[in-house]
Amino acid sequence: DGGITQSPKYLFRKEGQNVTLSCEQNLNHDAMYWYRQDPGQGLRLIYYSQIVNDFQKGDIAEGYSVSREKKESFPLTVTSAQKNPTAFYLCASSNGQVYGPQHFGDGTRLSIL
Amino acid sequence: GENVEQHPSTLSVQEGDSAVIKCTYSDSASNYFPWYKQELGKGPQLIIDIRSNVGEKKDQRIAVTLNKTAKHFSLHITETQPEDSAVYFCAANTNAGKSTFGDGTTLTVKP
Repeated sequence: DGGITQSPKYLFRKEGQNVTLSCEQNLNHDAMYWYRQDPGQGLRLIYYSQIVNDFQKGDIAEGYSVSREKKESFPLTVTSAQKNPTAFYLCASSNGQVYGPQHFGDGTRLSIL
Repeated sequence: GENVEQHPSTLSVQEGDSAVIKCTYSDSASNYFPWYKQELGKGPQLIIDIRSNVGEKKDQRIAVTLNKTAKHFSLHITETQPEDSAVYFCAANTNAGKSTFGDGTTLTVKP
């Protein structure tokens, strides 16, 4: 079955530590996205990539970094500069067309130890 | 940039009743409006969408309406069931594939 796989499902970070969240898709989608979701809130865009080797900052990019070396993969690194990283992180992909819906993974919940 | 407002933030209905969730958007260039359902601990899943050249679309118990002049679009769920309980998000697309989401509506269907 085609879809998006996020791993791990739960992740714990110590103070001052960088952590990387994995996102892989086998939908052959060009575009990929990372969102942050806080309790009771909507989806806030962190970074997005419309093509391999290119990505743009979203609304809340500070303290995060990404890479897009392969079409299938779009890992997100939460750096120590992100002072409030506890949240639910969602990865999505789309065909990049105007009428293309986004397909989401099941998220990674990041907590601070 | 685009701004999407969604109301209400919480909605409670009795099983069998209808539920309506409303969204407004600010950018007249928006031309695609998907709706997503998010169950606890999962990612959002597309349930229905509508393009800007269509006024209404229906899929079994779910329908979406769009008023481009007023920049409003709404999700209608009829004959609600307990399994409809979830968080629902509206979204508006302007640039290719990039969506702006509403803040979500938590729907509770009481048996």
